[in-house]
Amino acid sequence: EGQLLESGGGLVQPGDSLRISCAAAGFSFRTYAMSWARQAPGEGLEWVSGISASGGATYYTDSVKGRFTITRDNSKNTLYLQMNGLRAEDTAVYYCAKGDGATVTNFRWFDPWGPGTLVTVSS
Amino acid sequence: DIVMTQSPDSLAVSLGERATINCKSSQSVLHTSNNKNYLAWYQQKPGQPPKLLIYWASTRKSGVPDRFTGSGSGTDFTLTISSLQAEDVAVYYCQQYYSIPLTFGGGTKVEIK
Repeated sequence: EGQLLESGGGLVQPGDSLRISCAAAGFSFRTYAMSWARQAPGEGLEWVSGISASGGATYYTDSVKGRFTITRDNSKNTLYLQMNGLRAEDTAVYYCAKGDGATVTNFRWFDPWGPGTLVTVSS
Repeated sequence: DIVMTQSPDSLAVSLGERATINCKSSQSVLHTSNNKNYLAWYQQKPGQPPKLLIYWASTRKSGVPDRFTGSGSGTDFTLTISSLQAEDVAVYYCQQYYSIPLTFGGGTKVEIK
């Protein structure tokens, strides 16, 4: 099944940038599409972005398009999310998750999930 | 975007009794090419990430107790916990993977009565 571990969260001010990472282990990272999802405090789950196994295709939810960039380094088994122009409404626990397929359009279900990293955007 | 609507928002069930959670999609998530429903269910306990319970609407992930059952097709789906145990207290989410953006239901909180 594998394991995922996010890092890099923290407290930032509105308009700031932050990059969070997700280290993968226990599965063939380069074979699977990956996603970021988030959960605002006390709220439900929201898919944020996905990337294909090769890194050649990326997708974003509308609210982060143009501000967030998802990338991956298959040589380091690591997924990234570069977040620019952060807003208060981006405050959430960010989870990385593995898909069941190689493409985002064939991502299917999220399994496993990492424990998450908290990003707080506040002045 | 496909909107996923869960009901109820919360429910309280006695230990050993049945819990039923509903999930409705704004459009069909049944792929006619393979006759599969592109729907998954997750369980999230406080302070933990979600865990996959069921995919393809009714296929239980290995290791998930058989008291959890997924059913439904098209736009209407149900997660049933046949005999609620104390460790089942959690929030449950449905998710469609028929199209991008991937979307989740708002969640249903299950508590002990």
